[in-house]
Amino acid sequence: SAVISQKPSRDICQRGTSLTIQCQVDSQVTMMFWYRQQPGQSLTLIATANQGSEATYESGFVIDKFPISRPNLTFSTLTVSNMSPEDSSIYLCSVARASNEKLFFGSGTQLSVL
Amino acid sequence: AQSVTQLDSQVPVFEEAPVELRCNYSSSVSVYLFWYVQYPNQGLQLLLKYLSGSTLVKGINGFEAEFNKSQTSFHLRKPSVHISDTAEYFCAVSASGGYNKLIFGAGTRLAVHP
Repeated sequence: SAVISQKPSRDICQRGTSLTIQCQVDSQVTMMFWYRQQPGQSLTLIATANQGSEATYESGFVIDKFPISRPNLTFSTLTVSNMSPEDSSIYLCSVARASNEKLFFGSGTQLSVL
Repeated sequence: AQSVTQLDSQVPVFEEAPVELRCNYSSSVSVYLFWYVQYPNQGLQLLLKYLSGSTLVKGINGFEAEFNKSQTSFHLRKPSVHISDTAEYFCAVSASGGYNKLIFGAGTRLAVHP
């Protein structure tokens, strides 16, 4: 299994500011993913962050709004930039050791934007 | 493109009663199917998965699910629930070739009452 530590667990932010969410894994993993879960909705994949390459963003998500770093095989960050109330969501990090192995999820970061 | 529909947003049930959480999917290609559980203030955990072979899949905590290709369904069942099963349950689908890019349903809140 993989133990994922996601920080912060929750935050309340002002409109126009940015927040960086950290995802730390207790072992090396090939694949890391960032999901968003808006209130009352399902999880939506934001981007795939594999070490050594640029993050790949899903339709509707752009690097300027959600820059991602993946400096090594155990760590990644997601920044939510220039926040608005519509960005209020739970943001989840998930990892897999390989493309055909199970996903593990962090406990998420609950973000509220005022 | 794949999609997932969880037909019930909330399912209340009494302890020791049977429960079924419904999930339908749509896909033009072969899929892998998953059920995840999210306990309060915790990350998602994999309950069970269907890759191929037997259509009846057994998972952790006494849950099982049946893949029905003709009805494009993957309903989750448990013959006797416990208070500790109270959680959010997510059905998810991925295209053949890996576990990447899971598409999640909106979730079903299972509330087990004494």
